[in-house]
Amino acid sequence: EDQVTQSPEALRLQEGESSSLNCSYTVSGLRGLFWYRQDPGKGPEFLFTLYSAGEEKEKERLKATLTKKESFLHITAPKPEDSATYLCAVQSFTGNQFYFGTGTSLTVIP
Amino acid sequence: DAGVTQSPTHLIKTRGQHVTLRCSPISGHKSVSWYQQVLGQGPQFIFQYYEKEERGRGNFPDRFSARQFPNYSSELNVNALLLGDSALYLCASSRYRGNTEAFFGQGTRLTVV
Repeated sequence: EDQVTQSPEALRLQEGESSSLNCSYTVSGLRGLFWYRQDPGKGPEFLFTLYSAGEEKEKERLKATLTKKESFLHITAPKPEDSATYLCAVQSFTGNQFYFGTGTSLTVIP
Repeated sequence: DAGVTQSPTHLIKTRGQHVTLRCSPISGHKSVSWYQQVLGQGPQFIFQYYEKEERGRGNFPDRFSARQFPNYSSELNVNALLLGDSALYLCASSRYRGNTEAFFGQGTRLTVV
């Protein structure tokens, strides 16, 4: 069964303190791995799609990387406005749905 | 361009009632998926519709149903509401059935009392 595990559940950083979020996955044929940002009470906001091991994508202070078993979301010099829950999801070639992890709640303290 | 729009934004219903949630996808997108997100959890897949046909169903009871209209908008219906149905219901829009990039609406917050 396709499965996604995210760690840590919660992370508190000082402004400017870089760190990484982890997403471990098990999937029967990876079609894509996705990172979303979700603010409280809002829908997930699309960040990145990664398709194959070794792929990297960047957007402002965020960089996503992918291996055959996990993905990392690196946050460089975070700001308070980066505070949100970051969700990881996978999609397999055998189905069209996304399997989501439970997310990492990030708090950046000024 | 307008993003995915969902209505209503908030809803309070009583146990046993029925509810209809609505979703309009991004212009040009033909696939709509529905997800349920309970507080503190990731979204769980309910349905996918593409070209007005059901293309996937998650592990939800038959009280949950959906349909897609010729203009690609969609409705999610839930009958005989239970307290446990209280959640944020999300609609995701993508261009094609197997398209990997999906964009979410702001969701409908359903509270069952």
